[in-house]
Parts: sequence; C-alpha cells; structure tokens
Amino acid sequence: GEDVEQSLFLSVREGDSSVINCTYTDSSSTYLYWYKQEPGAGLQLLTYIFSNMDMKQDQRLTVLLNKKDKHLSLRIADTQTGDSAIYFCAERASGTYKYIFGTGTRLKVLA
Amino acid sequence: EAQVTQNPRYLITVTGKKLTVTCSQNMNHEYMSWYRQDPGLGLRQIYYSMNVEVTDKGDVPEGYKVSRKEKRNFPLILESPSPNQTSLYFCASSTPPEQFFGPGTRLTVL
Repeated sequence: GEDVEQSLFLSVREGDSSVINCTYTDSSSTYLYWYKQEPGAGLQLLTYIFSNMDMKQDQRLTVLLNKKDKHLSLRIADTQTGDSAIYFCAERASGTYKYIFGTGTRLKVLA
Repeated sequence: EAQVTQNPRYLITVTGKKLTVTCSQNMNHEYMSWYRQDPGLGLRQIYYSMNVEVTDKGDVPEGYKVSRKEKRNFPLILESPSPNQTSLYFCASSTPPEQFFGPGTRLTVL
C-alpha cells in the first residue's frame, strides 16, 4: 500500500539552511504537501506541489520533487528559532480524497 | 474568520462510555476528514466525507463512526471507546488542493 517516509529528527544552527526529506510510494499521487506543527497546535499548511512540477519556491521555502525517485524535499533558507516544529510530508492519491502522511520530522533550531 | 473548530479540546473518559467529538467548519467546504496522531506513526486518516451523506473509510476506521448530515459539521463517534483509542484527534476540511486542520482533541480512555 501507500507509504510516506521521513527521518525523525533534524538539528540545524540558526541562519543555516534546513533540508527535510520525504519519500513516497504512490506514483499516482496528484499533490504533495508540507505541513508544520508547532507544540500543542494543529497542522498548518506550508506549501504544496502538483505532481507535474519539479520545483516550487515561496519566500524562504523551496520544494523539490523528483518523480523518478519518488523523493520530495523542503528547504528552509535562513532557518530561525521560530521554525522549530514538526514537519509532515503528505500525499494525496489521484482521484481520491485520501491523504497519506509521513511520521513527521522534528526540526530543532539551535541559537 | 475562516476556521475549523473541534470540541472538546481535552477529554478523559472510561472504557465503553460512548462519546462524540464535534467538528465544524465555516468555509463551506465539501470535503472533511478525521485523523488520529500517535507518536512515531504520524497522522492516520480515520474517515473522510466528500459531501453531505457521503462518507468513506480511511486507513484506521475500526472502532469509529461518523456522520455528515450538514455540510458544516462532521462529528466523530466512539460507540465503545477502548484504551487503544487514546490519541490526539484532528478534524480537517478541504477545498482541494488545500486542507485546513482544527486545533485537535486530546482523548484519554482509561
């Protein structure tokens, strides 16, 4: 079945770039998403990319999609302490409303 | 303000006592969904609804029921809760491709 995998932890220094990686299995995925969850809060949609795109940039966020390897990444430029959170990758299968989420990557930004 | 609301935010109950977690959205979205979040497992979809009176199972529907009698409301029902349903629950509503989440309900079943 469908599966989305992420590494569990990432630690970076303030001002550096962060790269959070995700792999997925469903080749029919239409949209791929990145969500941010701060402590005690719900999930906030950060950005998403349509499966026919290779890259999407939105201010400090850059999403790269490698469809051949089924690999998605989120790059956060100039990482700040406020970026410390759990980041979830998710896919939505084509023609459905079924979303598959990864386990989340906990990003810790060191001052 | 556009939002998804859930009630209650926190609930402690005992095994077998029926409970309902309400979810409401004010964005006129057709699609709504319920998830549970458990450590190390990420979010798993319980049920989703494409419109009024149209629902379907997600990945982990066992032990849960839903109903969608009105567009804005999508309650999650646990007829006979068990300790393995202790979790953090999120409701979401969507106008694809975007999906918006509620603040979460932390449920403890003793």
